[in-house]
Amino acid sequence: DVKVTQSSRYLVKRTGEKVFLECVQDMDHENMFWYRQDPGLGLRLIYFSYDVKMKEKGDIPEGYSVSREKKERFSLILESASTNQTSMYLCASSFRGRVRGQYFGPGTRLTVT
Amino acid sequence: ILNVEQSPQSLHVQEGDSTNFTCSFPSSNFYALHWYRWETAKSPEALFVMTLNGDEKKKGRISATLNTKEGYSYLYIKGSQPEDSATYLCAFWDTGNQFYFGTGTSLTVIP
Repeated sequence: DVKVTQSSRYLVKRTGEKVFLECVQDMDHENMFWYRQDPGLGLRLIYFSYDVKMKEKGDIPEGYSVSREKKERFSLILESASTNQTSMYLCASSFRGRVRGQYFGPGTRLTVT
Repeated sequence: ILNVEQSPQSLHVQEGDSTNFTCSFPSSNFYALHWYRWETAKSPEALFVMTLNGDEKKKGRISATLNTKEGYSYLYIKGSQPEDSATYLCAFWDTGNQFYFGTGTSLTVIP
């Protein structure tokens, strides 16, 4: 079974803190993705990566950065957390290409106070 | 940002009813269409990946069709069961390697 794990299920941070969300997959997938999910807005892509050290901006990259130093790990960084970044964050991975389904992690519910 | 629309936004059906919903996407620059099921408190799970006009895919009581010329895909559930209750998401991939999720159809099957 493909496993995508995220470092925390729930996280509470203060405004201005630097926040790291970690995602690890164990299936040697080339592609990794970070999404946020907000009520009524569906899944919105923040960043994705097709390979180690490679990243592409998604729809809403502002206020976020990412790091992919190893194939299995993709980190999302909130440089200075703000209350409008309170959301559910989902990581996903897939094999290379556009015809392979994505496998999702359990999500991290981040609250910024 | 491209427009990927799903309708209806939510749906309540009785157990045993068959149902269907729609994903609409731009008909130009089509590459692939994905369907996912997202049950409450779980992660989204891939159902189908469709690439060719006229494609039909089936998994148990769930099936999907694809019309790339007019830009839509239908998801059908035959004989709905309570365990089918979930949000169903589609994701459109274009030829430029960009992709976009729809906002989903929330299905509730009433026992």
